[in-house]
Amino acid sequence: EVQLVESGGGLIQPGGSLRLSCAASGFTVSSNYMSWVRQAPGKGLEWVSLIYLGGSTYYADSVKGRFIISRDNSKNTLYLQMSSLRVEDTAVYYCARVVGGDYPDYWGQGTLVTVSS
Amino acid sequence: QLVLTQSPSASASLGASVKLTCTLSSGHSSYAIAWHQQQPEKGPRYLMRLKSDGSHTKGDGIPDRFSGSSSGAERYLTISSLQSEDEADYYCQTWGTGFWVFGGGTKLTVL
Repeated sequence: EVQLVESGGGLIQPGGSLRLSCAASGFTVSSNYMSWVRQAPGKGLEWVSLIYLGGSTYYADSVKGRFIISRDNSKNTLYLQMSSLRVEDTAVYYCARVVGGDYPDYWGQGTLVTVSS
Repeated sequence: QLVLTQSPSASASLGASVKLTCTLSSGHSSYAIAWHQQQPEKGPRYLMRLKSDGSHTKGDGIPDRFSGSSSGAERYLTISSLQSEDEADYYCQTWGTGFWVFGGGTKLTVL
């Protein structure tokens, strides 16, 4: 059974850093495309980042230069390193397994990041 | 610019059918999309990938009540025999190399 479990969210001050983790089971992260998607309170889904099979990474303009997606094959875990956090980064962050880089076929339950002073 | 447009809300009665629409922006009518469901206070769930020819590939465990179709730049999600648990937000999503786009979502109310 495919499962994705996010962790690492919490309350952080503007300008701070946070690392989110997504532990995968039932499949191998290194053999799949993976993604992060976020949802601000009361808003819709917003794509954040993608990592391709070969390791190429892509980011939404809103987070480019501040967020880094990576994976640890030995831990079968996906990460999102977030820095220079802004109030507008407040959201539930979901990780997802991706089919061919195109669309997610499995989603996690999300972890809440609140950026506030 | 690649944009997906969805109506903010829809409603239908228990046991009835409803057809949700996702419209691709001009020049992008050949794009495939994916539909996702988000029940209240839950993470999203993948429903299906839908191509421009109307063919679709559903996710694991998605009931036959959910189907997809296409016409031009329009992509549809039809839910038949509506149940209370179908009350949710429905998002369409598409992609290019290295980026994704989500529609604004449709909130479905089951009366």
